[in-house]
This record gives sequence, structure tokens and C-alpha cells, in this order.
Amino acid sequence: ETGVTQTPRHLVMGMTNKKSLKCEQHLGHNAMYWYKQSAKKPLELMFVYSLEERVENNSVPSRFSPECPNSSHLFLHLHTLQPEDSALYLCASSQDLRGIGEQYFGPGTRLTVT
Amino acid sequence: GNSVTQMEGPVTLSEEAFLTINCTYTATGYPSLFWYVQYPGEGLQLLLKATKADDKGSNKGFEATYRKETTSFHLEKGSVQVSDSAVYFCALSDGSSASKIIFGSGTRLSIRP
Repeated sequence: ETGVTQTPRHLVMGMTNKKSLKCEQHLGHNAMYWYKQSAKKPLELMFVYSLEERVENNSVPSRFSPECPNSSHLFLHLHTLQPEDSALYLCASSQDLRGIGEQYFGPGTRLTVT
Repeated sequence: GNSVTQMEGPVTLSEEAFLTINCTYTATGYPSLFWYVQYPGEGLQLLLKATKADDKGSNKGFEATYRKETTSFHLEKGSVQVSDSAVYFCALSDGSSASKIIFGSGTRLSIRP
């Protein structure tokens, strides 16, 4: 068990839909992350939260909107997505942002935009 | 800027074969190096790490040595098993922040029985 859970595991949505991805970590960590994993491309870091504050937003389109209501939960709200947004979305957490802290990943949500 | 380059896959081996997955890096200063593994249907897990030159990280029969002179961190295993089939990611951290991990593009490994 990784200690980081994600729901749903699979999601198919049309370009006009609105949906949300949920991540929960049971590790007592203070930092959480969203990554996008596309085929044959390196992991793309999308957002970083530390103690519920967003500290990084790596040029992600506004159709992706993160929310971190507390240090255990992280959401990614999706609206008017494009087919190229189809990918595996991974959530991760770490103890904090200091140094080279190990990141713990959830199993991901496989998103297909039709 | 910092970067990681790893061999393209897929790599297909027979059970009990010797495995090498190459990884080289470009970085200023003294980065820490990692190998993460992603089993089918799961997220990434840290497999091993090395934080300074000549360190050897090891776990589950895998090992990798931090070679500063060749800027490499190749992953090796003496005898692979079917259960080792997964995607392996080489990664680098400059130590400035836990969020600043740069991942390679991943190498898919398939082991035939």
C-alpha cells in the first residue's frame, strides 16, 4: 500500500464536461503534487502545494484548477479539456519541500478526453 | 539546466538474464540520483538512491553506482525475474527542494518466462 490514494482510477469525459480528480495521502505529509504522465514523455510537474498553499504552477492551462483544502487532500478540477489532455494524472506527496525528500505516488487516474 | 537521459525501451529479456538500463545526467553542483519503478497499474515507487559520488544504491537485487566522472547512474540486476517487468525512471534532484525532481522519460522492461 502506497499511502496515497486516487479516485477515480479511470475517467472518460467529453470536452464540455466538468469533473474532478481526488487525491488523499495517509502519510502525514505536508507537500502534495500533481503530475501529468503522457506516453513517451517525461513526467510533467503541474502543481505543488505546501501546507495547503500553492507554491508552483508550471505554466498549466487554466482548464486545470487545483484545490488543496487541507494537507491530506488534493483535487484537480477539470473543465473544457482537449483531447491532448488525455493522460495518466499522478498525485504524489512528500514530508515537506526541504532538500531531497522522497516523493510517494498514488496509482494515478487514467483520463480520456473524447 | 539539469537533465536526465535514459535508454529508450522497450527492453525485453529472458528470465535470469543480466539487466543494465543506462542513465546519464547533466547537472551543476552535486545532485542526488534516484531510480523509481512503476509496476503496471500503479504509481511510481522509489527503488534506490545515491546522494554523493561513488555511492551505490541497492534494493531488491537492483543496484546503481553514482559515477561523477562519467555523469552516469546505470541500473543493474544480475538475474531478472518476470515480476521485474515494469517501467523504470531515472531521476535527479539538485537538493534545493523536494519538488525539484527531474525524471527521465522511462524505460519499459519486459521479462519473458
